[in-house]
Amino acid sequence: DARVTQTPRHKVTEMGQEVTMRCQPILGHNTVFWYRQTMMQGLELLAYFRNRAPLDDSGMPKDRFSAEMPDATLATLKIQPSEPRDSAVYFCASGVRAPQDTQYFGPGTRLTVL
Amino acid sequence: KNEVEQSPQNLTAQEGEFITINCSYSVGISALHWLQQHPGGGIVSLFMLSSGKKKHGRLIATINIQEKHSSLHITASHPRDSAVYICAVSKAGGADGLTFGKGTHLIIQP
Repeated sequence: DARVTQTPRHKVTEMGQEVTMRCQPILGHNTVFWYRQTMMQGLELLAYFRNRAPLDDSGMPKDRFSAEMPDATLATLKIQPSEPRDSAVYFCASGVRAPQDTQYFGPGTRLTVL
Repeated sequence: KNEVEQSPQNLTAQEGEFITINCSYSVGISALHWLQQHPGGGIVSLFMLSSGKKKHGRLIATINIQEKHSSLHITASHPRDSAVYICAVSKAGGADGLTFGKGTHLIIQP
């Protein structure tokens, strides 16, 4: 059955290294979201795209985070350079016509920055 | 103050009990979502509603737009219902990303 996939599922890296997380939305979904979950802050929106165009990235630290959709089947979230405070679970979600539609979440990428 | 508040934060109940989780929000919304996050971490959407009431199996979600309040009810609770339940809103005005509550950690004991 159709589902959002994310890679890698787990990533351990050292401070200062570049991290790239990938998301494959459900085929036919035109809206893709990136969320971050931490114990302290809970879930928060980082950025989202519709029809591959970025609509809102106000939740992202601009100096080190970047999000792109090279094509309709791939969304990427990059952190360069990574810092220990970036340790979190990063979720990708997709939908057909948010907000009037259900969002389908991927399994998440658990990132640990040492 | 958080724009989405949930109560209680933690809830432990016995199997079979009727469960209610509450969500209040302070912003205009286009939709409210109830999500379930299992111990393994995966997030599943349970309901999306903008008015009235929805039912799926033993789960019922209601929303009162005037009072800016929603409830999630679980009837005949079961240990497999143990999870974190998260209320989230899509803000009015075209912002499609979700704003989340802190979640309610539910444990159903056999």
